[in-house]
Formats: sequence, C-alpha cells, structure tokens
Amino acid sequence: QKEVEQDPGPLSVPEGAIVSLNCTYSNSAFQYFMWYRQYSRKGPELLMYTYSSGNKEDGRFTAQVDKSSKYISLFIRDSQPSDSATYLCAMSDQAGTALIFGKGTTLSVSS
Amino acid sequence: DTGVSQDPRHKITKRGQNVTFRCDPISEHNRLYWYRQTLGQGPEFLTYFQNEAQLEKSRLLSDRFSAERPKGSFSTLEIQRTEQGDSAMYLCASSLNRGDTEAFFGQGTRLTVV
Repeated sequence: QKEVEQDPGPLSVPEGAIVSLNCTYSNSAFQYFMWYRQYSRKGPELLMYTYSSGNKEDGRFTAQVDKSSKYISLFIRDSQPSDSATYLCAMSDQAGTALIFGKGTTLSVSS
Repeated sequence: DTGVSQDPRHKITKRGQNVTFRCDPISEHNRLYWYRQTLGQGPEFLTYFQNEAQLEKSRLLSDRFSAERPKGSFSTLEIQRTEQGDSAMYLCASSLNRGDTEAFFGQGTRLTVV
C-alpha cells in the first residue's frame, strides 16, 4: 500500500460543476497537507495549504482534512475550463521536510 | 521573476553521458528540494538542503546522482552515466525554514535519455 492514494481519474465535468478531489493516506504522523495544480509540462503550483485538521477556503477552492479518517479533499466550486489540469495532493509529517505526493487526478472541465 | 528558476528547461542526452541541472530558489528561501516526476506519477522526493547543508537523501538518489548547494543559494543536480530510466522531469522547490512549510516549485527540467 502506498503512503498516499489518489484516484488518477480522468475526471470530466461540465463548466460550473462542483468538483470533489480526494486523497487517503496511511501515515498518521502527517500533519501538513497541500494541494497543487499542475498544467501539462509545467511545475506544480501551490493551491492550498492546511495544517492538521479542519477546513480552509480560498475563493472557489475549499480544502478539508479529516485526520481521524486519514482523508483529505479539495472542492472546486463553479469549475471553469481553465481549471483543467492535474491536481496533486501532498503531505508531510514535519514542517519543511520531504513531501509525499499522490499520483494526481486529471480534471477536464468542458465549456 | 521572483519564483524558482530552473535551467535548462529541456535536455536530451545520450545514454552514458553526464548531465547537470541548476536551480535558483526564491531569494529569501533557505530550504531547497529536488524531486523527480515520471509520466503519470506524482513528484518523488530526492533530497533537500537547508542553506548549504544536505539534510536528507532519498534511497532513489543512487550513487550516480549528486546534489550540491555550495553557498546556500543556487543548487546543482548532477547525474553521471545517464540511463534511459533517468528520463523524467526534475523539479526544484524552495521554502522558508519556519513553522509553515509551503514549498514553491520551479517549472522543472525535462530530461530525455536516448
């Protein structure tokens, strides 16, 4: 079992839909959780960062962490074609150390 | 541009040759990380530095790989005697050394070994 599991998709939704992206993990020591967006042949771009459990909202994006279930989610409201990309979850147990990434979920938003 | 900068963006090399990549982190960031990403996978950690000290190396970093950050600013990643399996995107990231751990990535160097 990999430390971080993420369904690779692809996930296809119409413009305006609410998108839910998820990751599960096995290491209960993880405390720092991130979501990155990666366009084809580009570097990952940090979207959301969360420490420990709880929710965080930034514009159309909401990140949720449920440490009791070892489950994290990213919600995208009013999805746009420009949101079409691969979304990577990442996590670590200590601040500033190696991040463990999921495989990434490929999202396609059609207009 | 004040982001993480990587050079070159693309490199094609013949098997057995040595290659070196450069990363310039965000100027005030004292932590610098190297990751490798293959097609359809998430980035995999290789190594990281705090200032000039290399603090952690992954088992993925074989003897053919070496990374340096001599003055605590830019870093280089060298691969000796390249193999076809080394073909990947090599990503550099940087962060501040404090409680929050947001790491910002560069655009990567895409290596193709033929």
